[in-house]
Amino acid sequence: GQNIDQPTEMTATEGAIVQINCTYQTSGFNGLFWYQQHAGEAPTFLSYNVLDGLEEKGRFSSFLSRSKGYSYLLLKELQMKDSASYLCAVNRAAGNKLTFGGGTRVLVKP
Amino acid sequence: GAVVSQHPSWVICKSGTSVKIECRSLDFQATTMFWYRQFPKQSLMLMATSNEGSKATYEQGVEKDKFLINHASLTLSTLTVTSAHPEDSSFYICSATHSSTDTQYFGPGTRLTVL
Repeated sequence: GQNIDQPTEMTATEGAIVQINCTYQTSGFNGLFWYQQHAGEAPTFLSYNVLDGLEEKGRFSSFLSRSKGYSYLLLKELQMKDSASYLCAVNRAAGNKLTFGGGTRVLVKP
Repeated sequence: GAVVSQHPSWVICKSGTSVKIECRSLDFQATTMFWYRQFPKQSLMLMATSNEGSKATYEQGVEKDKFLINHASLTLSTLTVTSAHPEDSSFYICSATHSSTDTQYFGPGTRLTVL
C-alpha cells in the first residue's frame, strides 16, 4: 500500500522558521511534491524534488532523501499569510499519479 | 502559465440529480487530467486519471458508473456526478499536466452540496 505521513498540525511565530517532515513508503517513486493549500482553495505548487538534496526557492526550501524515504519543507521568515495546510505528495511514476499525505496545518501567530 | 480553471466553482443540487463539472487548461495542452475529491479537514484523494481520447482509469473504490469522466479534447475534461446523494457532497478538484513536466497544476475546485 501507499503510506505518506506528516504531522497534523504545527504552530509557529511570525518571523520564525518551521520544518514540516514527510516520510513515505510507496510502490514506485518518481519525485516528491509540496503544495500549499489555503482553506477552501485548491493546492498551489511549491516545490518538486526528484534527486536527493536541498532545493531552495526564496523563503521555501525542500529536502529529499530517497534512501530514507524522507522529505522536509522548510519555511523561513514566516508571515501570517503562510498559515495554511502543506501537502506532501509522491509521484508514483505509473501514470504520473500523486498520492497525498494528510497535510500539515501550519498556524502562524503574531 | 499553466492555468487550470473549473466551472462551476460551487453548486447546490437536489438528491438524485446529476451534476457536471468542467476542467479546462487555459494556456497549455493537457495530456493528462486528474480528478480528486477532498472531504473537510482531509487530504486529496485521487478518483480517476483521464487521458484525452481514451477511457478514464478509476482508483479502487470509485464507481465509474457514478462518476462519469469525459476527456474530449486536450484542454477539457468533465466529471459528471450521476444521481448525486448527500454523501457525495465534497470539494472536487481537477489537475492537469502537460508532456514537458510532471508537475500537476490544480484548478480552483468545485464545492458540491447535495441536499
